[in-house]
Amino acid sequence: KAGVTQTPRYLIKTRGQQVTLSCSPISGHRSVSWYQQTPGQGLQFLFEYFSETQRNKGNFPGRFSGRQFSNSRSEMNVSTLELGDSALYLCASSLQAGGQETQYFGPGTRLLVL
Amino acid sequence: QKEVEQDPGPLSVPEGAIVSLNCTYSNSAFQYFMWYRQYSRKGPELLMYTYSSGNKEDGRFTAQVDKSSKYISLFIRDSQPSDSATYLCAMITGANSKLTFGKGITLSVRP
Repeated sequence: KAGVTQTPRYLIKTRGQQVTLSCSPISGHRSVSWYQQTPGQGLQFLFEYFSETQRNKGNFPGRFSGRQFSNSRSEMNVSTLELGDSALYLCASSLQAGGQETQYFGPGTRLLVL
Repeated sequence: QKEVEQDPGPLSVPEGAIVSLNCTYSNSAFQYFMWYRQYSRKGPELLMYTYSSGNKEDGRFTAQVDKSSKYISLFIRDSQPSDSATYLCAMITGANSKLTFGKGITLSVRP
């Protein structure tokens, strides 16, 4: 079974731009969660989607948004990029919703904001 | 105070050493406890998953949970160079809650 895939793997943007990241979950998994990982803050939860509905949301500003499609693929968007948005963005999929489910992480998208 | 605190690193040990990795937490509502391992340029992978207080063993790895002290540990016996990675503790309060991670500690096992 193919693992979680994320595209692109690397991205360079400038302040003020917007970016869209994509995540394809493991086949059959209906839940997708997004995380931001930085050396200073570690891994922080952004949001979780299940069956195209946002189930849970972390403490990030409204510039961070996401969506899930009927095939469970998910995208996250960051508008008006700031330097502090430079991070590794990870998505994880699981069969069912909820943090207690085993989550399988993708390799991440490394975003650099200049 | 952050909800989950993890011992800062990095940590370097010789091959064959016993490694102890620790996290403390402040939210007594945390019920499920996990350890993830993250290799360079990869996403985290689940290593251990525990619910109750006590020890859980899986090969060379032992996860320990002490809910009364709000303290969890991961022990690695006979450490190998292939164990060199970042280890993150994570925990959740309940079925519908989000995962809260520690910052992670980078372990290097020297041959």
